[in-house]
Amino acid sequence: GDSVTQMEGPVTLSEEAFLTINCTYTATGYPSLFWYVQYPGEGLQLLLKATKADDKGSNKGFEATYRKETTSFHLEKGSVQVSDSAVYFCALKSQGGSEKLVFGKGTKLTVNP
Amino acid sequence: DAGITQSPRHKVTETGTPVTLRCHQTENHRYMYWYRQDPGHGLRLIHYSYGVKDTDKGEVSDGYSVSRSKTEDFLLTLESATSSQTSVYFCAIKTGGIDYGYTFGSGTRLTVV
Repeated sequence: GDSVTQMEGPVTLSEEAFLTINCTYTATGYPSLFWYVQYPGEGLQLLLKATKADDKGSNKGFEATYRKETTSFHLEKGSVQVSDSAVYFCALKSQGGSEKLVFGKGTKLTVNP
Repeated sequence: DAGITQSPRHKVTETGTPVTLRCHQTENHRYMYWYRQDPGHGLRLIHYSYGVKDTDKGEVSDGYSVSRSKTEDFLLTLESATSSQTSVYFCAIKTGGIDYGYTFGSGTRLTVV
């Protein structure tokens, strides 16, 4: 079945450091890919998405590129802020009939001043 | 933004009692979902609905039932709550068009004692 694998956390960075959170997936065809963010005590918010190969999703300084050849959708940000501290989830929706969203286990990011 | 609300936000219940969580949406989206979030597991799908009276199981459906008698409401019932069902429950809706994606409610924190 479809699955998403994220790098294990937690990740701790200093402010202004470069961030990469790895995400790879297993799915047939061309799934849609998503990154969600969950700030402490809150629900999930869509951070960015990509629906076809080579698409780049971007939002709030975060970027991720849909790489079909490596089945990856790594999240990056050039300079993190303390306010980026949160849990980040990679997710996919299969191409075709299934309308279910499948999540990775999440990566907790802490940014220190 | 798609309007989606969950109730209650917090609940403590005793083992063996029935519990119903409610998800309400305001925009007539066809697909609705119930997920649970647990440390180390990310979000796992419990049940989902693809229309009034049309529901299907997710990966962790044992011990849960759902109902959808109106487009706007999706109910999750724990027939006889157990301690293993202590979790945070999230409802989601699938949105389409330019806003394609999945929007989540704020969550219900359920504790079974």
